[in-house]
Amino acid sequence: DAKTTQPNSMESNEEEPVHLPCNHSTISGTDYIHWYRQLPSQGPEYVIHGLTSNVNNRMASLAIAEDRKSSTLILHRATLRDAAVYYCILRDVGTYKYIFGTGTRLKVLA
Amino acid sequence: DARVTQTPRDKVTEMGQEVTMRCQPILGHNTVFWYRQTMMQGLELLAYFRNRAPLDDSGMPKDRFSAEMPDATLATLKIQPSEPRDSAVYFCASGLWAQSGQGVHNEQFFGPGTRLTVL
Repeated sequence: DAKTTQPNSMESNEEEPVHLPCNHSTISGTDYIHWYRQLPSQGPEYVIHGLTSNVNNRMASLAIAEDRKSSTLILHRATLRDAAVYYCILRDVGTYKYIFGTGTRLKVLA
Repeated sequence: DARVTQTPRDKVTEMGQEVTMRCQPILGHNTVFWYRQTMMQGLELLAYFRNRAPLDDSGMPKDRFSAEMPDATLATLKIQPSEPRDSAVYFCASGLWAQSGQGVHNEQFFGPGTRLTVL
């Protein structure tokens, strides 16, 4: 299973954009990139996913490098409610299996 | 608002006792996952089922753990006998598996978890 590397923690000011990086240098051509987040005392929840092209949804944007060896989750305006652990996960197209890494703990400052 | 439900939410038990955790997946979902989360190991996949059949249980200690789906609305994770090292939060997730394509997310929907403490 391909691995991902994320910073352990990041801080952001409220109302400012946040860029959460993820390295996945061993990604294969059939791996999708998924992002989940885990709010305190809750189960993880889906944020966004993509394969090759950049993706936008109501929660966030996903920017994928041209060589696909890294990606960045972008929260356009961080709020206090966005404080969570963010996980970058690779999923092979033929499987539903996720391997969670250690994630990035995002702290949002008022 | 469809959600995955888990019972009990909290369980405290003594070493050697049997523990059963239950999960009700979202109606219509064909895949159910069991995860364990600890501070040391993070989130680990224990097992998952598709259409009630086990697909992968390689993450589960076989000697004391067992997972079943008696029917499409109930998944169970059993530990017998329990040990202090089993103390963790156990999450169930469900989803609708489809071959990837336009509009397919293969998203997993997580329950609130069962916090297990084994004394």
